[in-house]
Amino acid sequence: QITLKESGPTLVKPTQTLTLTCTFSGFSLSTSGVGVAWIRQPPGKALEWLALIYWDDDKRYSPSLKSRLTITKDTPNDLVVLTMTNMDPVDTATYYCAHRPIAVAGADAFDFWGQGTMVTVSS
Amino acid sequence: SYELSQPSSVSVSPGQTASITCSGDKLGNKYASWYQQKPGQSPVLVISQDFKRPSGIPERFSGSNSGNTATLTISGTQAMDEADYYCQAWDSSTVVFGGGTKLTVL
Repeated sequence: QITLKESGPTLVKPTQTLTLTCTFSGFSLSTSGVGVAWIRQPPGKALEWLALIYWDDDKRYSPSLKSRLTITKDTPNDLVVLTMTNMDPVDTATYYCAHRPIAVAGADAFDFWGQGTMVTVSS
Repeated sequence: SYELSQPSSVSVSPGQTASITCSGDKLGNKYASWYQQKPGQSPVLVISQDFKRPSGIPERFSGSNSGNTATLTISGTQAMDEADYYCQAWDSSTVVFGGGTKLTVL
C-alpha cells in the first residue's frame, strides 16, 4: 500500500525559504520509472504542479517557479524534499506530494497523493 | 507555455451523463489524465493515459482524447460524483493542470 505524507512549517514569513518533506512508504525511488511530484493549491484555486523527481535523479520544474525551487531525494530513507526560496503571501497554499507510477514517456500522472500540508506566508 | 482550458462549471441531473472537456493545442497528441477532488480532500486519479481507469474507479468514469480536446464522461452520474475535476497533461518536460471544473449534480 502506497502512502505519502507531507511535513513542514505551517507559517513562514515573506522572503524566507520553505522546506517541505515528503515521507513515503509502499514503493522505492530506486525502482526504475518511479517518481515523486510536488503540487500546490491556493485556497479556492486550481492545482499547480511545482516539481518532479525521478528514480534516476532526473528533475523537472515548473518554468514559472524554476528559479526558486529545488527538489531532492533521499532514497535510503524514502523521502523527498522541496525547497522554495523567497516566499511571498501568494505562495500561501496546500502543498501536496504525489507518486508517479511507472509509465510510458509523456504519460506522467499521479496515482497516490498525500493529505497535503497548508502553508501560510505572512509576517 | 502550454495551457489547458476547462469550463468552470458543469451541471447534470442524477442518472444522466456528464461530460467535462479539457482543451489544449494538439492535446490529442499527448496523454491526458483526470483527477476528482472533493472538498477538503486530496485529488484522486480517475483516468490516466486518456482512457485508463485505475483500480477502484467505477466503470461509469470514462475518458477520450482527440484533436484539441480531452473529455471526461461520467455515465449515470451519482450525487457522490459532485466534485471538482482537473485535467492534466505533459508538455515539454513539464506537467500542466487545467483550471478545474466544478461538477454539480442537481
